[in-house]
Amino acid sequence: DGGITQSPKYLFRKEGQNVTLSCEQNLNHDAMYWYRQDPGQGLRLIYYSQIVNDFQKGDIAEGYSVSREKKESFPLTVTSAQKNPTAFYLCASRLGQKEKLFFGSGTQLSVL
Amino acid sequence: KQEVTQIPAALSVPEGENLVLNCSFTDSAIYNLQWFRQDPGKGLTSLLLIQSSQREQTSGRLNASLDKSSGRSTLYIAASQPGDSATYLCAVLNQAGTALIFGKGTTLSVSS
Repeated sequence: DGGITQSPKYLFRKEGQNVTLSCEQNLNHDAMYWYRQDPGQGLRLIYYSQIVNDFQKGDIAEGYSVSREKKESFPLTVTSAQKNPTAFYLCASRLGQKEKLFFGSGTQLSVL
Repeated sequence: KQEVTQIPAALSVPEGENLVLNCSFTDSAIYNLQWFRQDPGKGLTSLLLIQSSQREQTSGRLNASLDKSSGRSTLYIAASQPGDSATYLCAVLNQAGTALIFGKGTTLSVSS
């Protein structure tokens, strides 16, 4: 089955710890995105990547980092600098900049 | 700056009713508009994508319309079913294809 796989489904972070959320797609999409969703708020863009080895900051990039070493993979690291990391994180991808956007099933991150 | 508003925030209807969800945006210079469905704790599922040159798109019981000049889109759901209960989000893409702005969604509850 083609799709976007996010793991883990649930993740807990301790104070001062960095954690990495995985996103893998087998749709052969060029563009990949990370969004953050908080209750009652719309989705906010963290980072996006249009091609391998290139990525751009979104609206709320502070405290996060990404890499795009392979076309199918776009991991997100939530660093200790992100003081309010509890949220639902969604990875998305699309074939081109103006094509339909597809989402993974999300990762719920909570702070211990 | 583009703003996307969805009213109402929540809607409850009995099974079998036809209903309309609204999406408005402040900047009419968009490339396309996409409607999504989100079930609790899940990722977003794409429902319909309307290009700026189109007036409507249909998929099964769903029909989405777009009036770019007035900054409005509607999602019409015919003969609603309990399985339609979810949050529905709209998102607009700017003409450059660089920014996808989401509304906060309308949470629909269909009772049997």
